[in-house]
Amino acid sequence: SAVISQKPSRDICQRGTSLTIQCQVDSQVTMMFWYRQQPGQSLTLIATANQGSEATYESGFVIDKFPISRPNLTFSTLTVSNMSPEDSSIYLCSVESLAGGPFNEQFFGPGTRLTVL
Amino acid sequence: AQTVTQSQPEMSVQEAETVTLSCTYDTSESDYYLFWYKQPPSRQMILVIRQEAYKQQNATENRFSVNFQKAAKSFSLKISDSQLGDAAMYFCARGSSNTGKLIFGQGTTLQVKP
Repeated sequence: SAVISQKPSRDICQRGTSLTIQCQVDSQVTMMFWYRQQPGQSLTLIATANQGSEATYESGFVIDKFPISRPNLTFSTLTVSNMSPEDSSIYLCSVESLAGGPFNEQFFGPGTRLTVL
Repeated sequence: AQTVTQSQPEMSVQEAETVTLSCTYDTSESDYYLFWYKQPPSRQMILVIRQEAYKQQNATENRFSVNFQKAAKSFSLKISDSQLGDAAMYFCARGSSNTGKLIFGQGTTLQVKP
């Protein structure tokens, strides 16, 4: 399995500001994903972070609001831009298993709890 | 629609007893994977068990096993000899073999009573 860290673990931000969340993996991975988990809800995929190309966004999520960088095979960032209280959520990054097994197993980071006032 | 449904928002079980969490899904893909993840209050997502759709044999991982009914698109999780540490939110998820994306169900909160 991969060891995944996220920074910050939590933050309280003011409306209208932006926050960049970092995701670091201890080994090279091909696929990285960003999820949002609103309070008491399930996980929703925001985008797939592709190394060397633009991220692929899911319906309802746009690059202007959630810009993503993937400069190499071990690191990615997600920025939550122009925040509003509705952006208060846990944001999680995940990576696809390195084992190369026949299935797409994902390992998750510990998450970043964001509160927007 | 490519959905995953968990119809039980909350479940409870007595310590040492057995509990089954339900999950159904919808997909148009022929090759896919199914997972159960556990999320304790620490919010760390932990993979509990996985099942390849092309395998007929149900996956087993220690006290955790699944009942995979492909035709019915059903994927339930059975926890045997429940322990206090099993208390958490459990998410069923379907993974695409093409894109690697996961679609999650709404989650089931499991309470374990001593």
